[in-house]
Amino acid sequence: AQKITQTQPGMFVQEKEAVTLDCTYDTSDQSYGLFWYKQPSSGEMIFLIYQGSYDEQNATEGRYSLNFQKARKSANLVISASQLGDSAMYFCAMRRPGRGNQFYFGTGTSLTVIP
Amino acid sequence: DAGITQSPRHKVTETGTPVTLRCHQTENHRYMYWYRQDPGHGLRLIHYSYGVKDTDKGEVSDGYSVSRSKTEDFLLTLESATSSQTSVYFCAISVQRGPQETQYFGPGTRLLVL
Repeated sequence: AQKITQTQPGMFVQEKEAVTLDCTYDTSDQSYGLFWYKQPSSGEMIFLIYQGSYDEQNATEGRYSLNFQKARKSANLVISASQLGDSAMYFCAMRRPGRGNQFYFGTGTSLTVIP
Repeated sequence: DAGITQSPRHKVTETGTPVTLRCHQTENHRYMYWYRQDPGHGLRLIHYSYGVKDTDKGEVSDGYSVSRSKTEDFLLTLESATSSQTSVYFCAISVQRGPQETQYFGPGTRLLVL
């Protein structure tokens, strides 16, 4: 069974500090994709970053980076220089290969940035 | 912006009535998805489609059906709505751009079943 685990229901970070949001996954597939999404209080889902299972380098997108440790099956999101606008729910997701490319989501982490 | 719209954006209905939610995309992407989002569960896949008339069940498909007669439209139907189907429903598309894959979401539909 495919599974995504986010063990931090809520996190707090001081503005301008870095924060790591944890994500572990469980799959027997060799090829898969890992994603992080942000959901602000307005409700929309915003794509942040993608990591392919065969990518040797960690993905980066501006202030977001994905700390990919394949052997540990972890895909932690690192947000550097936190801003007040980063306060939101963050979801980790995994795409398994095959017809339809099914996606599986974690339960999310609520991040609050403190001024 | 992947040009995804959902309609209606909000709906209140009564138990036992049929409800259809529409997802529309403007870029002719092949893969489309319906999710529901509930507190404590994240997003859960209801149904997905990999082309016109090609659909399959996700992890929470009971009580839902879908149809895709055109590339741009993916319809989700609750044949007989129940209170447990009160939720926020998101449509999504999967987009491959070079080595990067991304899933874009619609704005969501809030459904309340009384």
